[in-house]
Amino acid sequence: GAVVSQHPSWVICKSGTSVKIECRSLDFQATTMFWYRQFPKQSLMLMATSNEGSKATYEQGVEKDKFLINHASLTLSTLTVTSAHPEDSSFYICSAFGLADPQTQYFGPGTRLLVL
Amino acid sequence: RKEVEQDPGPFNVPEGATVAFNCTYSNSASQSFFWYRQDCRKEPKLLMSVYSSGNEDGRFTAQLNRASQYISLLIRDSKLSDSATYLCVVIPGGSYIPTFGRGTSLIVHP
Repeated sequence: GAVVSQHPSWVICKSGTSVKIECRSLDFQATTMFWYRQFPKQSLMLMATSNEGSKATYEQGVEKDKFLINHASLTLSTLTVTSAHPEDSSFYICSAFGLADPQTQYFGPGTRLLVL
Repeated sequence: RKEVEQDPGPFNVPEGATVAFNCTYSNSASQSFFWYRQDCRKEPKLLMSVYSSGNEDGRFTAQLNRASQYISLLIRDSKLSDSATYLCVVIPGGSYIPTFGRGTSLIVHP
């Protein structure tokens, strides 16, 4: 299946720091990637849809100025959590469509963010 | 009503048991359905797509009931390694954005 990578896998930072998370499609081009957040024992919550070459589409309640998304190439989308606070601590996961089935999501391994 | 609903469980079953989960969806125009498996502290991984005619993959059987708007996942001969959270994913009609259920937790014990 299609491979999606994320970097870093773990981040521990101080409150007020900005954190950038990268999502890469390794063996396919992804015009659309999704960013999710998952709190413990809760479902994945879609934060935004990242479109190559255009502005991301944010879900209701997600602050676009706090969660900056850039999808500058067909294989890379980045999520920057600006001025992170402890309540931003979560598991952030990206996904992209695979080649074989454009409706099947392939997920990156996720990034655990802990803000102290 | 939530778009995609699942019983969070946990379903606690012995090895070798057969267990079934259901997932209901609210958008009658939904076109695509999937079951994902998520292990603790890991990303979701595709288990199987759900086709209108139903489909089977080894010990796993998925079915779709459009009239009642639910999909199901049946696991036969449960293994310890089947312990995980099973996520129902629905792509609503007219959209390519998936909607996730909360997940159903399965614990298979010896």
